[in-house]
Amino acid sequence: AQKVTQAQTEISVVEKEDVTLDCVYETRDTTYYLFWYKQPPSGELVFLIRRNSFDEQNEISGRYSWNFQKSTSSFNFTITASQVVDSAVYFCALKEDQAGTALIFGKGTTLSVSS
Amino acid sequence: DARVTQTPRHKVTEMGQEVTMRCQPILGHNTVFWYRQTMMQGLELLAYFRNRAPLDDSGMPKDRFSAEMPDATLATLKIQPSEPRDSAVYFCASGPTVNTDTQYFGPGTRLTVL
Repeated sequence: AQKVTQAQTEISVVEKEDVTLDCVYETRDTTYYLFWYKQPPSGELVFLIRRNSFDEQNEISGRYSWNFQKSTSSFNFTITASQVVDSAVYFCALKEDQAGTALIFGKGTTLSVSS
Repeated sequence: DARVTQTPRHKVTEMGQEVTMRCQPILGHNTVFWYRQTMMQGLELLAYFRNRAPLDDSGMPKDRFSAEMPDATLATLKIQPSEPRDSAVYFCASGPTVNTDTQYFGPGTRLTVL
């Protein structure tokens, strides 16, 4: 069975601190896709990144970076120099290698960044 | 800037009433998903369609929920009769039908059943 675990329920940091959100997944598939979504206080779900299981290169986008390690089944998300606008719930999700199948979401990590 | 739209954004109703939520997927996307978000369960899949055909609705209480796609630009989720435990945020998402498909979410409908 597929499963996504986000062990950190809530994290609080002060502006400019770096913060890492953990994501551990379980799947028997050899090909799969991993996602991060952001849910700000306004409630919408915003797509951040998609990663293929055969591409273990880390990715950086501005202050955001993602560390994908197949050996530990982890796909962690780091925000560098956090800002108040980063305050949101962040969801990690897993999708199997079949067109049009649903996402399996973790429970989410609530990040609070204070000034 | 293509987006998934959902109506209504908020709905308050009384137990026993019928509720209909609507979703307009991004033009060209032929896979549509309905998810429900609650504090207890998190985000869970209710149903999804590919090319307007229902593929999986195992997450949906069949006795009261129904999902349809009357055409490529409209998906509906209906609850009849509604119950207080249906109170949640209902999200619609759409994506292209390829293995790597990224799902793009609508703003959600916040449903409160009194």
